[in-house]
Amino acid sequence: GQQLNQSPQSMFIQEGEDVSMNCTSSSIFNTWLWYKQDPGEGPVLLIALYKAGELTSNGRLTAQFGITRKDSFLNISASIPSDVGIYFCAGQLSGGGADGLTFGKGTHLIIQP
Amino acid sequence: DAGITQSPRHKVTETGTPVTLRCHQTENHRYMYWYRQDPGHGLRLIHYSYGVKDTDKGEVSDGYSVSRSKTEDFLLTLESATSSQTSVYFCATNTAGTAGYTFGSGTRLTVV
Repeated sequence: GQQLNQSPQSMFIQEGEDVSMNCTSSSIFNTWLWYKQDPGEGPVLLIALYKAGELTSNGRLTAQFGITRKDSFLNISASIPSDVGIYFCAGQLSGGGADGLTFGKGTHLIIQP
Repeated sequence: DAGITQSPRHKVTETGTPVTLRCHQTENHRYMYWYRQDPGHGLRLIHYSYGVKDTDKGEVSDGYSVSRSKTEDFLLTLESATSSQTSVYFCATNTAGTAGYTFGSGTRLTVV
């Protein structure tokens, strides 16, 4: 099946630092998504990207849909303690429907005060 | 998200016993999914449903069955629980024309 390679696996950073993580695939996706999971909760959608080359921001978060449609990155600027959690990338072939999302294995973000 | 409720939130069961997890949604979404989350593996699709009584297998369906008799309910059954099924299980929903899924808060299942 399709595989998403998400890196880094974990990040230990200082509060206030910028964060960058990325996801690559051997297959093309039509939609890229970034989720955040807080401890004890389900993943929550942060950003959805629909077009190759698209750059989208949501507050301090910025994500891009790679031009080859096989990769995406997520940046977080000026990290704060509530940014701690697991960030997942996900690829989807269609805009919605029965085909399952393919997830990366997640990036654990740990912020040291 | 208040639109998706998973029950129970936590369960400990013995090897060999049947277990049923419930997902209830109030979103009237057509599509529903069951995932399991394990360290080192991320989220893996177990089964999904594209309508009442219409279900299909995902990546890791062995040992699991599902049923959907109503739009709002999607049940995941472990016929005979094994220790390898100790995991956190997430239900998710989706509707046509929207990207991504909405997830429930999860069920932590421990098989001893």
